[in-house]
Amino acid sequence: GAVVSQHPSRVICKSGTSVKIECRSLDFQATTMFWYRQFPKKSLMLMATSNEGSKATYEQGVEKDKFLINHASLTLSTLTVTSAHPEDSSFYICSALIAGGAYNEQFFGPGTRLTVL
Amino acid sequence: KQEVTQIPAALSVPEGENLVLNCSFTDSAIYNLQWFRQDPGKGLTSLLLIQSSQREQTSGRLNASLDKSSGRSTLYIAASQPGDSATYLCAGNSGAGSYQLTFGKGTKLSVIP
Repeated sequence: GAVVSQHPSRVICKSGTSVKIECRSLDFQATTMFWYRQFPKKSLMLMATSNEGSKATYEQGVEKDKFLINHASLTLSTLTVTSAHPEDSSFYICSALIAGGAYNEQFFGPGTRLTVL
Repeated sequence: KQEVTQIPAALSVPEGENLVLNCSFTDSAIYNLQWFRQDPGKGLTSLLLIQSSQREQTSGRLNASLDKSSGRSTLYIAASQPGDSATYLCAGNSGAGSYQLTFGKGTKLSVIP
């Protein structure tokens, strides 16, 4: 099956620093990737849609200047949390889309646990 | 906008019991419906994907059904095992050109040995 990796799996940083999270599709190309955030005991909330070679599309309420997304290749999307604060602490999960004809499916990465001190 | 609800939020059953998890959605135009498993602190494991032209999917002890007219999907787990303990999430997208998934809050399942 299609495999998606995320790096790092866990990161602890000081308030005010920036953190970059990578999402890679290992055995397929993905023009579209998604970034989700999950707070404790909550469901996944879509943050943004990452499109290769173009700007990301952000969901309402998500600050695009704070959560920078770059999808520079067909196998890599990055999410940079700029000037992180404790309220940004969360579990961030990416997915990569395979779509063709009537078929579409997202394949999810293992997630990144961000803790901002 | 699609909204997905999962009831109950938590469920505890003895080992060996058959069980059903429920998922309801507001927009009958749902295209795909997918069930995931999430273990504590981990990512998502895809269990079953029901595509637009399908009504159910089966994998081992799992069976998922989709009834668009009633806005419901169920995940049936046969002969539950302690290893089935996890949070189960359902998610759907609306429309052939809309790939964004809307997730329910999940059902936390505990299978007691």
